[in-house]
Amino acid sequence: GESVGLHLPTLSVQEGDNSIINCAYSNSASDYFIWYKQESGKGPQFIIDIRSNMDKRQGQRVTVLLNKTVKHLSLQIAATQPGDSAVYFCAAPGGGSEKLVFGKGTKLTVNP
Amino acid sequence: KAGVTQTPRYLIKTRGQQVTLSCSPISGHRSVSWYQQTPGQGLQFLFEYFSETQRNKGNFPGRFSGRQFSNSRSEMNVSTLELGDSALYLCASSDRLAGTGELFFGEGSRLTVL
Repeated sequence: GESVGLHLPTLSVQEGDNSIINCAYSNSASDYFIWYKQESGKGPQFIIDIRSNMDKRQGQRVTVLLNKTVKHLSLQIAATQPGDSAVYFCAAPGGGSEKLVFGKGTKLTVNP
Repeated sequence: KAGVTQTPRYLIKTRGQQVTLSCSPISGHRSVSWYQQTPGQGLQFLFEYFSETQRNKGNFPGRFSGRQFSNSRSEMNVSTLELGDSALYLCASSDRLAGTGELFFGEGSRLTVL
């Protein structure tokens, strides 16, 4: 089955800087990857996803990069704001239609 | 459109008791998944229901069970509670017809077992 892992459990950045959160996965057959954001006291919230036939996908202030060769994906947040402070999870299908396997999460702290 | 609603938000139980948690998915969503979140293990998949049928099950003991009703609302039950069952239990719904796999999470039910 799939397993996903994040490289750093915590990340601290200055407001206005760019943030990069990394994630590795194990199953080269995974065709879909998702990033979720979880703020304190809330459930995870979808940020952006990417299919395996893409290398890059951009959203509003966020970009996800997928490197299938080394089975690595990253989430880049431009001009990080205090409201971006949260725990970020990468996830990939683990078999079955809606089952997702989540990484342990990276806690992003944005310092003013 | 209302989001995923979970009740209760917080509850405290003692070892040996049982607990039932409820989840109302987004209107029109027929798939409901349950996850357990703990600081040590992160988000772990419990089970998924679609059209009142369990479609997937995670690696949890039989004390953890669930069901889904005809209106897509779901409940999960944990019997003979153990201290290690203390966690945030998250419910997520999705529209399988969308095919994106995006899950919409509720805010969770935080269970404390004493």
